[in-house]
Amino acid sequence: GQNIDQPTEMTATEGAIVQINCTYQTSGFNGLFWYQQHAGEAPTFLSYNVLDGLEEKGRFSSFLSRSKGYSYLLLKELQMKDSASYLCAVLDSNYQLIWGAGTKLIIKP
Amino acid sequence: ETGVTQTPRHLVMGMTNKKSLKCEQHLGHNAMYWYKQSAKKPLELMFVYSLEERVENNSVPSRFSPECPNSSHLFLHLHTLQPEDSALYLCASSQALTADTYYEQYFGPGTRLTVT
Repeated sequence: GQNIDQPTEMTATEGAIVQINCTYQTSGFNGLFWYQQHAGEAPTFLSYNVLDGLEEKGRFSSFLSRSKGYSYLLLKELQMKDSASYLCAVLDSNYQLIWGAGTKLIIKP
Repeated sequence: ETGVTQTPRHLVMGMTNKKSLKCEQHLGHNAMYWYKQSAKKPLELMFVYSLEERVENNSVPSRFSPECPNSSHLFLHLHTLQPEDSALYLCASSQALTADTYYEQYFGPGTRLTVT
């Protein structure tokens, strides 16, 4: 079967750095997405990786290793507004989007 | 503002009721999606419409019935639901799907549905 694994919850301190991991086993691979979802709000697109390596967008970076079936989202200079759930999703060989259950990130002052 | 709106934002209904969820996108997209989001579970894709034709139905019970009258509007008609159907129902839109291209999805805020 197809599976996306990510930690259920993480806690970090304001101003620090946090890395949210995502591992996947899917039938084929056509890209990996990260979305952010604040409580009670819509998921919003953060990043898309299809090639190995690191993609940087301001305070957020996303890394992909296709050979390891692994990605991480790196958040730097954490702010209280970064408290949210972070969803990892993989596009399989049929262009179906397979979602993880999300990681709830709690930022403490 | 994501450009995708959903109404109502909250809905409480009995198991014998009939109700409809509405989604509207203002982004000029041609594909629309319904998802179910339950606590601590992955998003479940329910239905996909591309160019107003249904292209996906992931074994969703018949008590959920989608309707896509045009590329900007999507409905989910609900009848004789069960308590386990209580969840957040998210609508999303994107550029039209093609065989080898994928476009990021833009989500609405969701309808929080409670079935009593």
